[in-house]
Amino acid sequence: NAGVTQTPKFQVLKTGQSMTLQCAQDMNHNSMYWYRQDPGMGLRLIYYSASEGTTDKGEVPNGYNVSRLNKREFSLRLESAAPSQTSVYFCASSEPGYTDTQYFGPGTRLTVL
Amino acid sequence: GENVEQHPSTLSVQEGDSAVIKCTYSDSASNYFPWYKQELGKRPQLIIDIRSNVGEKKDQRIAVTLNKTAKHFSLHITETQPEDSAVYFCAASSGAPHDTDKLIFGTGTRLQVFP
Repeated sequence: NAGVTQTPKFQVLKTGQSMTLQCAQDMNHNSMYWYRQDPGMGLRLIYYSASEGTTDKGEVPNGYNVSRLNKREFSLRLESAAPSQTSVYFCASSEPGYTDTQYFGPGTRLTVL
Repeated sequence: GENVEQHPSTLSVQEGDSAVIKCTYSDSASNYFPWYKQELGKRPQLIIDIRSNVGEKKDQRIAVTLNKTAKHFSLHITETQPEDSAVYFCAASSGAPHDTDKLIFGTGTRLQVFP
């Protein structure tokens, strides 16, 4: 039981490049989330998915797209990376109504030059 | 929408002393308040949570109190140890009817426990 996994752990991009961050969970959770964490700003929600086939914008969605591929996987795509997207990205999952606890992945540290 | 404020941003205590971190929230419909601990370079992990129908919850050296009227909740750590050193985040569930599984996080408190 690996919980929530993310790939890659580290990534360096040049401005304008694209990439996809991958997230998977093996806890059979319906809800999945993408956050970014910047110094002094806590965790800010980018997008979330309440169930397979649905996605909704969070607090800071601009410049990102997401795909809920199936119940296990939720990917985050940067189409044209910008230096302002340099951050640590965390994926999380939960089962609302059962525990409400959000379980986080190990994070991806992204640097955009 | 929901807004969560957290204080202080940094807190230094001597080993064995108590530490208190406070958060306020804006949406009176919020009903779930977790606290996460994040060690350097690691993922946030839940340490304790409380629901709006409970005023206090305790788990060994950690306790959380909730004042719904004032819309604030606090984390209390007693007999602090060096391994308690980390960043602590409070969060509140969104009160919006279709978004109750969303969490809004505070900006974090860096706790340092000196031996």
